[in-house]
Amino acid sequence: AQSVTQPDIHITVSEGASLELRCNYSYGATPYLFWYVQSPGQGLQLLLKYFSGDTLVQGIKGFEAEFKRSQSSFNLRKPSVHWSDAAEYFCAVGSYSGNTPLVFGKGTRLSVIA
Amino acid sequence: DAGVTQSPTHLIKTRGQHVTLRCSPISGHKSVSWYQQVLGQGPQFIFQYYEKEERGRGNFPDRFSARQFPNYSSELNVNALLLGDSALYLCASSLSGYDSPLHFGNGTRLTVT
Repeated sequence: AQSVTQPDIHITVSEGASLELRCNYSYGATPYLFWYVQSPGQGLQLLLKYFSGDTLVQGIKGFEAEFKRSQSSFNLRKPSVHWSDAAEYFCAVGSYSGNTPLVFGKGTRLSVIA
Repeated sequence: DAGVTQSPTHLIKTRGQHVTLRCSPISGHKSVSWYQQVLGQGPQFIFQYYEKEERGRGNFPDRFSARQFPNYSSELNVNALLLGDSALYLCASSLSGYDSPLHFGNGTRLTVT
């Protein structure tokens, strides 16, 4: 069964600084990988996804993520954080064959300070 | 275009009661998934329905049930509520099965007292 580990429970960055949120997955086959963002009291919004091809994927709101098969990682990055990026971020893994549901990590809460 | 809509947004129930949560998917999406999100945790998979048939079930007791209607909307039912059922219940729709990205609604916040 697949699993996702997000090692950082809470990260605080200054506005304008760069950001990297870590995600490690465990899955025996080719994974589908996703990053979602959740603002307080809201549902989850898809930031980006990796299915195949280029290992560096671009998403909405200036986010990108890099798939590294050798490290079983799919870290999320943003070069310059805005105060509106403060939210909870979830990494999720699904199966390439499409026969198992998405499994989510426990999330990383991002705080942005002035 | 309307996104995934869920009702009600908030609900307070007493232990032992029954609850029904409703979800309308994005137009054209044929699959609905239900997730439970306990405070401070990631979403946990409960059910997926595709073309009105159950395609998957997570590790939840039989008190949890769901169905999908011909218009692809869905209901999640929980019987004999326990305090531990207090959570945000998220509905997500997708074009097809597990290999399609999920689009989430804003959830129903259930509090069991």
